[in-house]
Amino acid sequence: DMKVTQMPRYLIKRMGENVLLECGQDMSHETMYWYRQDPGLGLQLIYISYDVDSNSEGDIPKGYRVSRKKREHFSLILDSAKTNQTSVYFCASSYRGGQNTLYFGAGTRLSVL
Amino acid sequence: GQQVQQSPASLVLQEGENAELQCNFSSTATQLQWFYQSPGGSLVSLLSNPSGTKHTGRLTSTTVTKERRSSLHISSSQTTDSGTYLCAIDRSGSWQLIFGSGTQLTVMP
Repeated sequence: DMKVTQMPRYLIKRMGENVLLECGQDMSHETMYWYRQDPGLGLQLIYISYDVDSNSEGDIPKGYRVSRKKREHFSLILDSAKTNQTSVYFCASSYRGGQNTLYFGAGTRLSVL
Repeated sequence: GQQVQQSPASLVLQEGENAELQCNFSSTATQLQWFYQSPGGSLVSLLSNPSGTKHTGRLTSTTVTKERRSSLHISSSQTTDSGTYLCAIDRSGSWQLIFGSGTQLTVMP
């Protein structure tokens, strides 16, 4: 059905709590991404995953880690969340290489208080 | 590293007018995609155009690779075109797409 699904859509956490953001896709895409979007900064790449257990840091990986144990599922973990991690997080997926289109999820709006 | 600059930052048009959005990037790119983001919403790919001219519906993109620039032309704008348009290019030698900050388009009725 060509869909990227993110859960949850909205999340409020306290500083120091752990956060798990989940992303799934039904297109068997090899490559998956986590971005965050902040006003005036555009989208910044946190992590990219080329396939199961094949993950690479993006531009702003500090404070985040990821897990990809199945091709269709990619998780973003914040251990001991900080207030400056308040943001909108987008997951995306694509076929590997070339001019392949990125498909985005609806986003998770995270507030860390 | 690779940088993407979009202009203008914002644009207000009357319905029916044409829009011209610009994207400039700092080094050669093999991928270039234009995305649309609805207010408060997610991103949708509009087209991929790493070089030359490409049309889809009311959209025309022209990319001049050696000059490191791309444009997106929206003809006969409609109120439903309002939102943010983002340009993204690949970091050289990878599939990591780097995004510009976008152009916020508002089309007035």
